Amino acid sequence: DTAVSQTPKYLVTQMGNDKSIKCEQNLGHDTMYWYKQDSKKFLKIMFSYNNKELIINETVPNRFSPKSPDKAHLNLHINSLELGDSAVYFCASSRAGGGDTQYFGPGTRLTVL
Amino acid sequence: AQRVTQPEKLLSVFKGAPVELKCNYSYSGSPELFWYVQYSRQRLQLLLRHISRESIKGFTADLNKGETSFHLKKPFAQEEDSAMYYCALSTYDKVIFGPGTSLSVIP
Repeated sequence: DTAVSQTPKYLVTQMGNDKSIKCEQNLGHDTMYWYKQDSKKFLKIMFSYNNKELIINETVPNRFSPKSPDKAHLNLHINSLELGDSAVYFCASSRAGGGDTQYFGPGTRLTVL
Repeated sequence: AQRVTQPEKLLSVFKGAPVELKCNYSYSGSPELFWYVQYSRQRLQLLLRHISRESIKGFTADLNKGETSFHLKKPFAQEEDSAMYYCALSTYDKVIFGPGTSLSVIP
């Protein structure tokens, strides 16, 4: 029973392409997040969604857009991919907002060529 | 502004030696503090949170509001402790992770 799952695990693509990463949680949590982990292992929050409302957007380029079809899913769409977008992207969820333990997905390693 | 610092990027200790990973934060309110761990090529997972005051895998962390610190300690390091450790501060609407400390336990 995977609590937070992401697909794909690996994504290799060319500059300029548009791609999506999917995330699903079966924990019944209200809040979901996307994080970017760069090559130096620095972890930065990109978005969080609470009951389909965006509540954090941390100076992320508008080429990145989160889409939440329902409470259990938060997908990440990326347009016009750039070399600097290469990173590991983690999805996470928590029962409520701040103050609650975050449960992370396995990560998606994105490589932009 | 809220901030989390972890001064050591890399920390190497010998097996059986004590280990301390430092974490300092800045936040004017009452913080919720966490330690997350990421083993090689695995997902991040919660190690412990200050509110529960538990000891997980032999690790403990005490919140020191005077020094605004939440250092992670273990009296005897094991090889399986080698991992990336992140300190995190959670407020009512935000989660901030520190830059992480890579712990290497030498056999």
